[in-house]
Amino acid sequence: GQQVMQIPQYQHVQEGEDFTTYCNSSTTLSNIQWYKQRPGGHPVFLIQLVKSGEVKKQKRLTFQFGEAKKNSSLHITATQTTDVGTYFCAGSPGTYKYIFGTGTRLKVLA
Amino acid sequence: EAGVAQSPRYKIIEKRQSVAFWCNPISGHATLYWYQQILGQGPKLLIQFQNNGVVDDSQLPKDRFSAERLKGVDSTLKIQPAKLEDSAVYLCASSLDRAGGVDTQYFGPGTRLTVL
Repeated sequence: GQQVMQIPQYQHVQEGEDFTTYCNSSTTLSNIQWYKQRPGGHPVFLIQLVKSGEVKKQKRLTFQFGEAKKNSSLHITATQTTDVGTYFCAGSPGTYKYIFGTGTRLKVLA
Repeated sequence: EAGVAQSPRYKIIEKRQSVAFWCNPISGHATLYWYQQILGQGPKLLIQFQNNGVVDDSQLPKDRFSAERLKGVDSTLKIQPAKLEDSAVYLCASSLDRAGGVDTQYFGPGTRLTVL
């Protein structure tokens, strides 16, 4: 079946350092979403990418969708302690169905 | 606007017992999802409804899990009988199902199930 993998599984960074998580799908996606889940919380929507090669920015967060629409990345510039949590990508093959990735857990050391 | 409501928040049961979870999506949201999230993993889709019809239940263990969405609003997810490996957080999410638009999923707080 379709799989969505993320690397790395864990990342510890010093506050102020940059962070990147990568998402790879086994099949082509119609769109991809990114979610953040704080410890003990539920996933919260961050963004949706639809077009091949699309790049979107939200303050310190930069999201990219690969040209082949099979991979994506999330880059955080100058991490803050509020960035702590697990970041999930969720790929859609279509029909509003989403397959969540394995997640990258980010810890930020003050 | 009110968010996705779920109850109960926590449930502890013995294996082979049955349990039911309830979800009330955001008003007007046509699509409702049930996910299972095992500790340390990403949410796994169990079943997806569009209004009161099932869109996808390919990963629902139908020998023990069942779900319904009467009148296209509230939904219940039932496990009967429960196994130890069912211990997880069960997340309900809803989306507006707006064709061509951003299909944001709004998640409820989840129900943490522990099977002893």
